[in-house]
Amino acid sequence: EAQVTQNPRYLITVTGKKLTVTCSQNMNHEYMSWYRQDPGLGLRQIYYSMNVEVTDKGDVPEGYKVSRKEKRNFPLILESPSPNQTSLYFCASSYRGKAYEQYFGPGTRLTVT
Amino acid sequence: GQQVMQIPQYQHVQEGEDFTTYCNSSTTLSNIQWYKQRPGGHPVFLIQLVKSGEVKKQKRLTFQFGEAKKNSSLHITATQTTDVGTYFCAGPAGNMLTFGGGTRLMVKP
Repeated sequence: EAQVTQNPRYLITVTGKKLTVTCSQNMNHEYMSWYRQDPGLGLRQIYYSMNVEVTDKGDVPEGYKVSRKEKRNFPLILESPSPNQTSLYFCASSYRGKAYEQYFGPGTRLTVT
Repeated sequence: GQQVMQIPQYQHVQEGEDFTTYCNSSTTLSNIQWYKQRPGGHPVFLIQLVKSGEVKKQKRLTFQFGEAKKNSSLHITATQTTDVGTYFCAGPAGNMLTFGGGTRLMVKP
């Protein structure tokens, strides 16, 4: 089954404790991205990757890191989480880029206390 | 940068009534995409419009792309409880995709 998976689905952590949210897709998509969703603000793009070893900042990259060492995986790293990063995070992938249908993962609800 | 606005933010309708959400971009778009997110779920792609003035239908859903390719609308005829969710439009900007704030549709049975 074609899908995007994320782990963990829920995470409660404390300020400053490094964490990684994993994302994997099995569709051989070139383009992957991370979004955060906050009430009233829609989906805002954090980082995106056009292909392996090619990543770039989205609209809200501060406090986040990513890497794309393999085509299928695109982890999101929070080196020192803060309460303002409490949000719902979605990973997405698409065949070639922003002009193509985005497939979203199930989401990760992160709470930073 | 590019901004994509959606109105209304919320809409309550009685089952059987029609519903429309509007999307406006600050810049001309090469295409526009629409997504639906059910409560507790993730966004799911509905459709993409590419041509100026394009109209596409999916059963009770009608999507339009404006002549100037800066606005779009989604109209649902005779809403059902299964239509509940948040509808997002999204437009490409550079290598990114900019989403509108979404319209949350609530349907009273």
